[in-house]
Amino acid sequence: EIVLTQSPDFQSVTPKEKVTITCRASQSIGNSLHWYQQKPDQSPKLLIKYASQSISGVPSRFSGSGSGTDFTLSINRLEAEDAATYYCHQSSSLPFTFGPGTKVEIK
Amino acid sequence: QVQLQESSPGLVKPSETLSLTCTVSGYSITSGYYWTWIRQPPGKGLEWIGAIFHSGSTYYNPSLESRVTISVDTSKNKFSLSLSSVTAADTAFYYCAREAGISPFDYWGQGALVTVSS
Repeated sequence: EIVLTQSPDFQSVTPKEKVTITCRASQSIGNSLHWYQQKPDQSPKLLIKYASQSISGVPSRFSGSGSGTDFTLSINRLEAEDAATYYCHQSSSLPFTFGPGTKVEIK
Repeated sequence: QVQLQESSPGLVKPSETLSLTCTVSGYSITSGYYWTWIRQPPGKGLEWIGAIFHSGSTYYNPSLESRVTISVDTSKNKFSLSLSSVTAADTAFYYCAREAGISPFDYWGQGALVTVSS
């Protein structure tokens, strides 16, 4: 099973700041890494697919990068509505796994 | 517009079988994709339970495989999850989702809370 670790666990950020979340895989997964945003009492929402591909309807301030074992989700100019928990997910091999999540709080 | 909606009993007794159904609208299950179950204990992270293709091929998380069955009813455009011998550790929000095969989950249901308690 591929284990995903995320850092940081929690981040408190001022609006308009840049947020960077990292996800590391226990073995190489190519670009089969996806990012989700989950707000309280909601189901996860796909933000970025295949490490860096944008999703229709997702604001352009969200971007992703990386390949192999190290990946990054960036949120440029954070807005209040971005308060949420962010998860990475690998689809390289079964069983699919998720990172433990990074909670982003707005100061 | 693809939509998924879970139906749930809400409360299940320990040692019994948990059963959920996901109704898909706006897309025919027989047109493709893998139909998936994911769970999330309250306040915790996400766990992939397993998936089914419209042909009936199934894929399960080894950690749950001995207790899980996923089935599909193409005539009703629904798929279902059964989890046997439940304990309090199975208390979670259960989500159904769609996935294209080694791909992200692009559509999710709203989630259904299942509580295991006597």
